[in-house]
Amino acid sequence: EVQLVESGGGLVQPGGSLRLSCAVSGFTFTQYWMSWVRQAPGKGLEWLANIKQDGSEKHYVDSVKGRFTISRDNAKNSLYLQMDSLRAEDTAIYYCASHTNDYLGGFWGQGTKVTVSS
Amino acid sequence: DIQMTQSPSSLSASVGDRVTITCRASQGIRSHLGWFQQKPGKAPKRLIYAASSLQSGVPSRFSGSGSGTEFTLTISNLQPEDFATYYCLQHNNYPLTFGGGTKVEIK
Repeated sequence: EVQLVESGGGLVQPGGSLRLSCAVSGFTFTQYWMSWVRQAPGKGLEWLANIKQDGSEKHYVDSVKGRFTISRDNAKNSLYLQMDSLRAEDTAIYYCASHTNDYLGGFWGQGTKVTVSS
Repeated sequence: DIQMTQSPSSLSASVGDRVTITCRASQGIRSHLGWFQQKPGKAPKRLIYAASSLQSGVPSRFSGSGSGTEFTLTISNLQPEDFATYYCLQHNNYPLTFGGGTKVEIK
């Protein structure tokens, strides 16, 4: 059974940091690009970043570039999102997702909630 | 950035209806488009990738078409479990961008 399990969300003050994790099982993690996608309360989906199978290539949306860093540990079948300089507008549910058939979204995690508030 | 414009933003339909949702890209994206279904409190689920390829396990009443700048998701014979919000996603250029969503409600 394929499982993507996010963790690391929570309440953080503006300007603070969080590190999200996504533990993957049930498929060959090393074969796929991986992405982070978020959804602010009552809003639509926003793609944030993705990373190539070997970590050699990464892409970000401008709104998080320079503040968020995507990484992966293939030995641990895990994806990460280091989030620094957090803002109130970063409040959202954060999902990890695989790129299967060369497109985002074949498998998704259940999401982890991040709240940025003082 | 490529803007993805979905229409309508919401619609009301009855069980058994045929529903069509459109997504327009601000520039050509070839066939690099996916469609997703999301129910409240749940993660999105991919229905279609590469504009018209049906995701494994997804009922055949879902179909996608289009290329370039205009794409369509069609749900034939709408079922009770299909009431949800639908999103398109372009995969041709970075940043990847989603449409604003279409909420399909029960009439």
